[in-house]
Amino acid sequence: GAVVSQHPSRVICKSGTSVKIECRSLDFQATTMFWYRQFPKQSLMLMATSNEGSKATYEQGVEKDKFLINHASLTLSTLTVTSAHPEDSSFYICSARGGLTHTGELFFGEGSRLTVL
Amino acid sequence: DAKTTQPPSMDCAEGRAANLPCNHSTISGNEYVYWYRQIHSQGPQYIIHGLKNNETNEMASLIITEDRKSSTLILPHATLRDTAVYYCIVSQVAGGTSYGKLTFGQGTILTVHP
Repeated sequence: GAVVSQHPSRVICKSGTSVKIECRSLDFQATTMFWYRQFPKQSLMLMATSNEGSKATYEQGVEKDKFLINHASLTLSTLTVTSAHPEDSSFYICSARGGLTHTGELFFGEGSRLTVL
Repeated sequence: DAKTTQPPSMDCAEGRAANLPCNHSTISGNEYVYWYRQIHSQGPQYIIHGLKNNETNEMASLIITEDRKSSTLILPHATLRDTAVYYCIVSQVAGGTSYGKLTFGQGTILTVHP
């Protein structure tokens, strides 16, 4: 089946620094990718929809200037957490859907755990 | 997207069938029922999806009621590795403008015990 890969799987950074997380579709072209955030013992919450070649659409309450999303190619979307603070520590997960052909399955990456000290 | 209701937790003995229910009484005609599961500290794993007919794959079976207001995910022979949080989600059919945009509820924590 289709594979979505995230990198890094774990990252620890100091407060005030920026962190970039990559989401790649390995064997299909993803016209749209989705970014989720999951806090401990909670469910996944959609942050934004990333469309190739256009601006991302953010969910209500998500700061677009803090969570920068770039989807420059059909196989790569990046999420940059700018000026990270401890409250941004979370599990970030991306998912991808195909373009012209797809079976209805939606695939998720392995997740990236961010810890801000 | 329509909301779903699932029991917060269920137990199952290893080797037995696990039947996970889901209510989606407000589902629209253009919405599929999706099932995903999440093992601790991993991304969600796709299990199965369906529109109105029952579906079966190598992982599970999906039984959707005729009125489409509820469904049941069946893991025919549960193993310890099936312990996970199982999410039932309804979402627009492939090709819809919101396709791929999934709203996760709290899911069902399935514990498979020896």
